[in-house]
Formats: sequence, structure tokens, C-alpha cells
Amino acid sequence: DIQMTQSPSSLSASVGDRVSLTCRASQSVSRYLSWYQQKPGEAPRLLIYGTSSLQNGVPSRFSGSGSGTEFTLTISRLQPEDFATYYCQQSYSIPYTFGQGTKVEIK
Amino acid sequence: EVRLVESGGGLVQRGGSLTLSCGASGFIVTNNYMTWVRQAPGKGLEWVSVIQSLGSAYYADSVQGRFTVSRDKSKNTLYLQMNSLRTEDTAIYYCARDDPAFSSSLINWGQGTLVTVSS
Repeated sequence: DIQMTQSPSSLSASVGDRVSLTCRASQSVSRYLSWYQQKPGEAPRLLIYGTSSLQNGVPSRFSGSGSGTEFTLTISRLQPEDFATYYCQQSYSIPYTFGQGTKVEIK
Repeated sequence: EVRLVESGGGLVQRGGSLTLSCGASGFIVTNNYMTWVRQAPGKGLEWVSVIQSLGSAYYADSVQGRFTVSRDKSKNTLYLQMNSLRTEDTAIYYCARDDPAFSSSLINWGQGTLVTVSS
């Protein structure tokens, strides 16, 4: 199975900050990498698919990059509604494993 | 509008069985890839199973041989039959639509149903 490792596990940031979250795969997943946002008590929501494609309705302050084994989710200017937990997932090889998540908290 | 609604969760004893349902609207379940994901209390997301449009099904090692995914075309519903339940199966179970055109990302999610396995 492909192991996905996210870093950091949590971070504190202020509204307006630029934040970058990292996801590393134990082997290449090409560009089959998605990012999800989850708020407490809610189901996850797809933000980014195929490494860098923005899902419909997702604000343009979210962007994704990378390939192979290292990927990044960047939020250009953090907004109050962005405080949440973010998960990456590879869909290159079944089982389609998730990272353990990065919690973005208010500083 | 695409909508997914899970049901069937509840409290069950270790070793027992439970069947979860995921009713869909706005698309045809049997024409799509459908995935189950679970989340233990306070933990991260765990991929559980996928059933592809042609019917091939795959499972995480942790549930292989105990869980079975299926679909009912007439009811436009996805199911997860869970047998030999363990305390570590306690989680919120989400169904999601998996779209190969979107790199097999999970495009739509239900609200989840809680399964609690007691010892």
C-alpha cells in the first residue's frame, strides 16, 4: 500500500497569511493526488483533484502543486472559513490511501 | 443536484453485523464508481471500499473478507454489508461518488452514518 504523510500535523496562522501544507507519498502517485477540507461535524469537501485542478466552487486562493511523491496545498490569503483540517489522498493505486491530516488553527 | 444520504448506522455488539445504505439522487449509482470512507472518532479518514461501474469491488485490508459492497439499480442505492464487526470498526461511515474523469477524486459525499461497535 502507498503511505501518505502530511506535514505539519497542525499549524497556527492568522487571517491573511499564506500557508503551505505538504503531502508526501511513499512511492510515486504521478499526479493522482487530491486535497479535501473537513470542518468539525461535516463531511469532507473536495478542493483539488489531479494535483492542481480546482474543483468547481472552490475559491482561487486555494492551489495545488507537485508530482511524483511530493505535493503542496497552498492557501494564498487565509480566510476565517479556511480554519479546518486538510487531507490529501492518492488515487493512483488501490487502496486509495489518505494522509493523516493537517489541522489549520487560528493564531 | 447530486445528493447522497447514508443510513443504517447504530450500536452493534462485537461480532455482529450491520448493513449501511447510501441513497443517491441526481445521478445513477450503477453508472458510477462509488466509495466508502470511514472516520473513527477524533481520527483521520480511512478508505474502505470502492465498487466500480462494471461491478468490480475492492477493499482495504482491514475489512477484506468481512465487508461487502453492493448496489441496487432499481433503488439507486449503494450498500455496505459489515460482518464480524470489531470495536475498531467504530466510525462515521461516508459514501462518496468517485469520478475517474476527476482523477478518481471523491466528488460528492454524504453526511455520514455512525457505527458503534461495543465490546
